[in-house]
Amino acid sequence: AQKVTQAQTEISVVEKEDVTLDCVYETRDTTYYLFWYKQPPSGELVFLIRRNSFDEQNEISGRYSWNFQKSTSSFNFTITASQVVDSAVYFCAAIGGGSEKLVFGKGTKLTVNP
Amino acid sequence: ETGVTQTPRHLVMGMTNKKSLKCEQHLGHNAMYWYKQSAKKPLELMFVYNFKEQTENNSVPSRFSPECPNSSHLFLHLHTLQPEDSALYLCASSQGGLAGETQYFGPGTRLLVL
Repeated sequence: AQKVTQAQTEISVVEKEDVTLDCVYETRDTTYYLFWYKQPPSGELVFLIRRNSFDEQNEISGRYSWNFQKSTSSFNFTITASQVVDSAVYFCAAIGGGSEKLVFGKGTKLTVNP
Repeated sequence: ETGVTQTPRHLVMGMTNKKSLKCEQHLGHNAMYWYKQSAKKPLELMFVYNFKEQTENNSVPSRFSPECPNSSHLFLHLHTLQPEDSALYLCASSQGGLAGETQYFGPGTRLLVL
């Protein structure tokens, strides 16, 4: 079974600041997958990224970047030059290779102030 | 319509009522999921259907009854609910049959039980 910990409950930044959201996972599976989702106030979970356990290459997509470190069991998410529209709850999630159960962290509420 | 849709978006019901939540996916997927999101609790997986067969029931009380008539539609039938069942109910879908698939979520139904 997987366990996902997002230690930061809430983060508040001023627009244009960089912000990193932490995610630590626990698993006994050798094959697993990690995800980040964004949940704006409207409620819908928006998929951001999926990584498998064999691909530790960091990824950048526009202002978003992800740092996957197997040695520390972390999959952190950085938003560069944050914007007000980035305000949302962000969830990290994990699933084992043979499982159907996507396990979510408790989420980090990000508020970007103008 | 694109993606995953859910109706109704909001629902208020008494404890003796019977209602149904509907989810429809337009992604050609074969797996569908129900999740419950309560305040201050992680997202909880309720049910999984793969190719119309229920493959996961995460110890959900019998007052919640899922139905999957085909790969595109998923229902959650509600009867004699309790106030603690008030939550955001999210539907998701994924391709089906592959490890660590990305799940795509609908906007959710916000349920209030009085």
